[in-house]
Amino acid sequence: KQEVTQIPAALSVPEGENLVLNCSFTDSAIYNLQWFRQDPGKGLTSLLLIQSSQREQTSGRLNASLDKSSGRSTLYIAASQPGDSATYLCAVQGGSEKLVFGKGTKLTVNP
Amino acid sequence: AAGVIQSPRHLIKEKRETATLKCYPIPRHDTVYWYQQGPGQDPQFLISFYEKMQSDKGSIPDRFSAQQFSDYHSELNMSSLELGDSALYFCASSLGLQTKETQYFGPGTRLLVL
Repeated sequence: KQEVTQIPAALSVPEGENLVLNCSFTDSAIYNLQWFRQDPGKGLTSLLLIQSSQREQTSGRLNASLDKSSGRSTLYIAASQPGDSATYLCAVQGGSEKLVFGKGTKLTVNP
Repeated sequence: AAGVIQSPRHLIKEKRETATLKCYPIPRHDTVYWYQQGPGQDPQFLISFYEKMQSDKGSIPDRFSAQQFSDYHSELNMSSLELGDSALYFCASSLGLQTKETQYFGPGTRLLVL
């Protein structure tokens, strides 16, 4: 059974800092990995999708990497802003179509 | 761009009542997924449909049923509601069962069972 773990559970940083969120998964037989953002009480916004054959994806200040063999992914956020404050969820898609989510990292960026 | 539409956005029910949640996928998307996110929890997969047929099933209680219609919208029917069913219910859609496709999530339906 696939299990996804995200560390840390919460992170508080001052504005402007670069930061890294971590995600690990137990079964390396995945098709893709996605990073989502969720604001309190809101829906899920897809940030980056990395196919199993890819090593990284970039979008603006975000960069996600994937090391499938070791079961790890990182989300790098450059020059963090208060508007980046949210919960970031990592999810993997394996043999079936369903996504298996981690419990998320709650990020607070202080002005 | 059109997104996934869910209705209602908020729903309050009493225990033992029934509820129906609706999901309208992005135009041309033929695959729909349902997820349940309890308070402070990560989203858990319930069920999915592709071309109106159930394609996968997760931790969906027997009290719940779902279907996908000819226009690809989907409905999640919940009966004999329990307090523990209070959660945010997400619908997501994608084009086909290809695993290269992103699942696009709707805003969710917040269900409160009293």
